Amino acid sequence: EVHLVESGGGLVKPGGSLRLSCAASGFTFSSYNMHWVRQAPGKGLEWVSVISSSGSYMHYADSLKGRFTISRDNAKNSLYLQMNSLRAEDTAVYYCAREMRGGFCSTASCYGAPSDYWGQGTLVTVSS
Amino acid sequence: DIQMTQSPSSLSASVGDRVTITCRASQNINSYLNWYQQKPGKAPNLLIYAASNLQSGVPSRFSGSGSGTDFTLTISSLQPEDFATYYCQQSYSTPHTFGQGTKLEIK
Repeated sequence: EVHLVESGGGLVKPGGSLRLSCAASGFTFSSYNMHWVRQAPGKGLEWVSVISSSGSYMHYADSLKGRFTISRDNAKNSLYLQMNSLRAEDTAVYYCAREMRGGFCSTASCYGAPSDYWGQGTLVTVSS
Repeated sequence: DIQMTQSPSSLSASVGDRVTITCRASQNINSYLNWYQQKPGKAPNLLIYAASNLQSGVPSRFSGSGSGTDFTLTISSLQPEDFATYYCQQSYSTPHTFGQGTKLEIK
């Protein structure tokens, strides 16, 4: 059974940093592109970032470029999101999600497949 | 970036009703359109992918159609467990933008 478990959320001051982790199990992690999606309290879903199965390609929401970095460790079946220079508007539940097989990534974009499994989310609160 | 616009933003309906939610992309996304259901406090759940493909385990009362820029999600006969928020998402190109959501409420 596929399991995705996020961790690392918490309360951080504006300007601070946080590293989220997502532990994957129940599937061959190294074969799947992985995503981060966030949801501010009472708001809709916002796509954050994707990393290709090998870790060769990463893409970000334009508003987050330069502050957030996605990475993965296939040997540890883990996905990460390093978040720097955090702002109040980054307050959200952060979900990791597995992309269904069939997608494709390049330097230009990742396209093709939806996210078929999601973790339960981890809450990040940015406040002084 | 591709903008996704859903309508309506909210919808009141009764058990047994047929409901349709629409999603419009700001440019051609072929059939790279996905639909998710989200219940309060839970992660989203994939319902439909590639515009019209039913995800495994999803009841057949859910269906999707469309291509290019205009898409629809239809629930043929609402069940009590279907009252939730629905999101469309394009996976044609990054960023994989979501619609703003449609909240389906009990009338």
